[in-house]
Amino acid sequence: QLVESGGDLVQPGGSLRLSCAASGFTFSDHYMDWVRQAPGKGLEWVGRIRNKANSYTTEYAASVRGRFTISRDDSRNSLFLQMNSLRTEDTAVYYCARASSYSGGWDFDFWGQGTLVTASS
Amino acid sequence: DIQMTQSPSSLSASVGDRVTITCRASQGINTYLAWFQQKPGKAPKSLIYAASSLQSVVPSRFSGSGSGTDFTLTISNLQPEDFATYYCQQYKTYPLTFGGGTKLEIK
Repeated sequence: QLVESGGDLVQPGGSLRLSCAASGFTFSDHYMDWVRQAPGKGLEWVGRIRNKANSYTTEYAASVRGRFTISRDDSRNSLFLQMNSLRTEDTAVYYCARASSYSGGWDFDFWGQGTLVTASS
Repeated sequence: DIQMTQSPSSLSASVGDRVTITCRASQGINTYLAWFQQKPGKAPKSLIYAASSLQSVVPSRFSGSGSGTDFTLTISNLQPEDFATYYCQQYKTYPLTFGGGTKLEIK
């Protein structure tokens, strides 16, 4: 199970930290991602954090690089998304997603229910 | 960035029909292609990975094929619960990218 929290209404330029609590699987084995969906729009990948075996390295979409930071705490089975300098275009439902490697690549195989972030004055 | 183009963007079909959705990548992605189903107000659900492998508990009426740049998702014997929006996604190269979605509606 993946349960996101932390979504809220925030003013443009503000900050917010999202959390994703994982249970029912070995969290530390997996890569973890954030994916967002603006109202009425499609899915947009936000970023990824790899597992300990891959040094917890991160990747980001260009639209959030330098403003958003992904981290994880394997001891607490938790994933985080620190969002700074929020813009109105960051308004979206944010999903955490688990990635597994069955075929050489890391594909999403399980998603949380999402948390809504609204950046508006 | 790799662009993922889905067609059609919307599709009407009846229960029991067979439908096919296509996804084209702007450059070759081998078989690093996944499909997702999303119902209104719900999180996406993973259906297929590696272009043709079904995720666990996904019904066998769903199938995927393709490699390189051209891929298809086929749903046979459509059921009422299959009416949803479907997305393809490549995971060969960063940034990971999704297609624009195909909305499957009841005729």
